[in-house]
Amino acid sequence: DTGVSQDPRHKITKRGQNVTFRCDPISEHNRLYWYRQTLGQGPEFLTYFQNEAQLEKSRLLSDRFSAERPKGSFSTLEIQRTEQGDSAMYLCASSLEGLAGENTGELFFGEGSRLTVL
Amino acid sequence: AQSVTQLDSQVPVFEEAPVELRCNYSSSVSVYLFWYVQYPNQGLQLLLKYLSGSTLVKGINGFEAEFNKSQTSFHLRKPSVHISDTAEYFCAVRKGTSGSRLTFGEGTQLTVNP
Repeated sequence: DTGVSQDPRHKITKRGQNVTFRCDPISEHNRLYWYRQTLGQGPEFLTYFQNEAQLEKSRLLSDRFSAERPKGSFSTLEIQRTEQGDSAMYLCASSLEGLAGENTGELFFGEGSRLTVL
Repeated sequence: AQSVTQLDSQVPVFEEAPVELRCNYSSSVSVYLFWYVQYPNQGLQLLLKYLSGSTLVKGINGFEAEFNKSQTSFHLRKPSVHISDTAEYFCAVRKGTSGSRLTFGEGTQLTVNP
């Protein structure tokens, strides 16, 4: 295991279709994050998991978006009824956080899944 | 809530020249600070981080940054850049201890010309 992997790397879909992205974090990492990045912008936080629990969601995450991490390992991000404004790079990251809440600080990112909605 | 401002969206420089990419943050609590680099068609890679201790931190590829608490800044520097340093650079902040999300700036495109 050499890093965070995301699949697919590219997805082109028509407006109104559903899409799902998968993220496999670094195996010993207990936290997993989803970010969205549009052209010329920095990544924007969407949500994160501590093990299988989804602990925080951004207001950017509308009800068409759902994320899961059922066994505390890989995660999926589903977008229902896609809109052209959903076109972006979806980034996954993972980190190792201590049991007492201390953290190493660093997030390790995958290469992203690029979504194009026509 | 934390926020990050990267003062320059684009920085063109010549090869072997020094460069400084500026970053200011705002937060009411102690923070951790990071610089990430993104090469074309690649994921974000950590350059360096400040968690505590010495305010001058050294990272990969000859980059360094200085944490200035009074000016709430964390500027990135390199004394002599290479063509291969051409990339997008992101400053990011995270609330220290028990913090969760990493908040990014909008990025600075560094272009190194021959």
